Amino acid sequence: QLQLQESGPGLVKPSETLSLTCTVSGGSISSSNYYWGWIRRPPGKGLEWIGTIYYSGSTYYNPSLKSRVTISVDTSKNQFSLKLSSVTAADTAVYYCASVVLGYCTGGVCYNNWFDPWGQGTLVTVSS
Amino acid sequence: QSVLTQPPSLSGAPGQRVTISCTGSSSNIGAGYDVHWYQQLPGTAPKLLIYGNSNRPSGVRDRFSGSKSGTSASLAITGLQAEDEADYYCQSYDSSLSGVVFGGGTKLSVL
Repeated sequence: QLQLQESGPGLVKPSETLSLTCTVSGGSISSSNYYWGWIRRPPGKGLEWIGTIYYSGSTYYNPSLKSRVTISVDTSKNQFSLKLSSVTAADTAVYYCASVVLGYCTGGVCYNNWFDPWGQGTLVTVSS
Repeated sequence: QSVLTQPPSLSGAPGQRVTISCTGSSSNIGAGYDVHWYQQLPGTAPKLLIYGNSNRPSGVRDRFSGSKSGTSASLAITGLQAEDEADYYCQSYDSSLSGVVFGGGTKLSVL
């Protein structure tokens, strides 16, 4: 049974880069059955998809964050990571990693995917 | 402003049936993309409740059911219980944005 755990600094200064890592256990990050994703929830707001990665390195980003986001995978450590640059207070949120169960796949891209399971989440505060 | 629209809040008495709507458009739900639902209890991570419009993962009670029609989807909860008090989110794919979209979330209160 897959389990995911986020780790990283809980406090980041404005204009700096937020870096988080998600460690996957109970399965291989190189599985062809999953993508791997990051989602966040700002205080008092709803969920926002950040981006998704396949073990091969293919990435898909939220257009509103694309210019600042990098998601990468380290198959040797069974981990994937998130970097968000030039952060502001608006990036304060609980950040979740999740496995992405693949729905319908065609032309090398999968749609109708869903997130399951999720990590417990980690609060990142952007403040000086 | 979320691409998928949900009522911000709903309430119901124990034992009642409530329905949470998720309204999209022709570039997401109306285009045929599946809708998935998540339950987020206070202080916990979201949990998958319904996938593929109407499928329940193992362990999810049959009091929860999902449906989809046209550009909208719905989550129905029957026999409402105090433990159902949580935030509920719908999720789909949007072809115009080329990415995953969530609804704004619905806070369900059990009176």
